[in-house]
Amino acid sequence: GEDVEQSLFLSVREGDSSVINCTYTDSSSTYLYWYKQEPGAGLQLLTYIFSNMDMKQDQRLTVLLNKKDKHLSLRIADTQTGDSAIYFCAERSGAGTALIFGKGTTLSVSS
Amino acid sequence: ETGVTQTPRHLVMGMTNKKSLKCEQHLGHNAMYWYKQSAKKPLELMFVYSLEERVENNSVPSRFSPECPNSSHLFLHLHTLQPEDSALYLCASSQEQRNTEAFFGQGTRLTVV
Repeated sequence: GEDVEQSLFLSVREGDSSVINCTYTDSSSTYLYWYKQEPGAGLQLLTYIFSNMDMKQDQRLTVLLNKKDKHLSLRIADTQTGDSAIYFCAERSGAGTALIFGKGTTLSVSS
Repeated sequence: ETGVTQTPRHLVMGMTNKKSLKCEQHLGHNAMYWYKQSAKKPLELMFVYSLEERVENNSVPSRFSPECPNSSHLFLHLHTLQPEDSALYLCASSQEQRNTEAFFGQGTRLTVV
């Protein structure tokens, strides 16, 4: 079955880079997403990548995809205290299917 | 503001109560979803509606009953819940034909006492 795995916690200092990792099992995954959830809020889409891409950069965010190893990462450059949140990796295998999420990585940024 | 609105934001109910969660989307999407978020567990997909028809039901207990009267509204009817059903219930919508990302509401924090 489908499974998405993430480490549960990451702690960094303000100004450092954060790297959040995710692995998935569904080889037919065609779309992979990163969502952010701040306390008391719903999920907010940060970025996404198609499976035919290796990398996508969007301002401070860099997504790397290793399709062979089914490994996805999110790098946040110059991490700020406002980046403290839970980050969810999600995948879907095509049109008409729902997103499958990991448990989320709690990012804690200290000043 | 994501264009997906859930009400109420917080709900406390007894095990013998009946209540409903409401979700409304203003994005013109044709698919809507209910997810359950419990502490330390992955987001669990509960129900999927596409073009107002239920297309997925992930072995959810019958004490949860979804309803999708039109493409903009989704309800989750609750009755005789258990304390372990306490969680954050998230609604999402997407446009299936374009296979875009899903937009989420802020969720309803449900506590069953």
